[in-house]
Amino acid sequence: QVQLQESGPGLVKPSETLSLTCSVSGASMRSYYWSWIRQPPGKGLEWIGYIYYSGSPSYNPSLKSRVTMSLDTSMTQFSLRLSSVTAADTAVYYCARGRSSSSRHPGDWGQGTLVTVSS
Amino acid sequence: QFVLTQPPSVSAAPGQKVTISCSGSSSNIGNNYVSWYQRLPGTAPKLLISDNNKRPSVIPDRFSGSKSGTSATLAITGLQTGDEADYYCGAWDSSLSALVFGGGTKLTVL
Repeated sequence: QVQLQESGPGLVKPSETLSLTCSVSGASMRSYYWSWIRQPPGKGLEWIGYIYYSGSPSYNPSLKSRVTMSLDTSMTQFSLRLSSVTAADTAVYYCARGRSSSSRHPGDWGQGTLVTVSS
Repeated sequence: QFVLTQPPSVSAAPGQKVTISCSGSSSNIGNNYVSWYQRLPGTAPKLLISDNNKRPSVIPDRFSGSKSGTSATLAITGLQTGDEADYYCGAWDSSLSALVFGGGTKLTVL
């Protein structure tokens, strides 16, 4: 059974870059979509983007200018970088795997990690 | 603010049935699959329904999904206090080229 675990700094300063890693265990990363989703405190879910196992990313148009996702060549983790952060980027960040090899909808989720943007 | 529209809250008594609606457009629900997620307090979202009406094997058959036109519905029967959670619908939006979610519906089991 696949397990996902987010890791990274819990506090980021305004204007800096947020960097998170999702470690994947229990399953191969091949043939799946790997996503990042976030949830600001008291608000709903927001899709940040996904990266396909072949390395092709797709980003939320509202965040596209600031987002970069990458897949580790070891195929055991993938990463998120969000630049020029503001307080509005404070949220619980989740990584997730597609429900099936052909689905972009998240199926398995990590436990989430809270990132606070503050000086 | 959210591309998909859900009621902010619903409530029902234990043992009863509740439905949660999710309204969209032809660029999302109308022509793409809908998923439903349950987020229990303090936990990560869990997939309840995929492809409009398919239930993962670990999800009880008390949960069901349907779609008609540009709207989708999640139904929960035999409500239990443990069902109290936030529920979200999601669908791919072909115009935005993005996965979009509803704002979430808080279920209270009275």
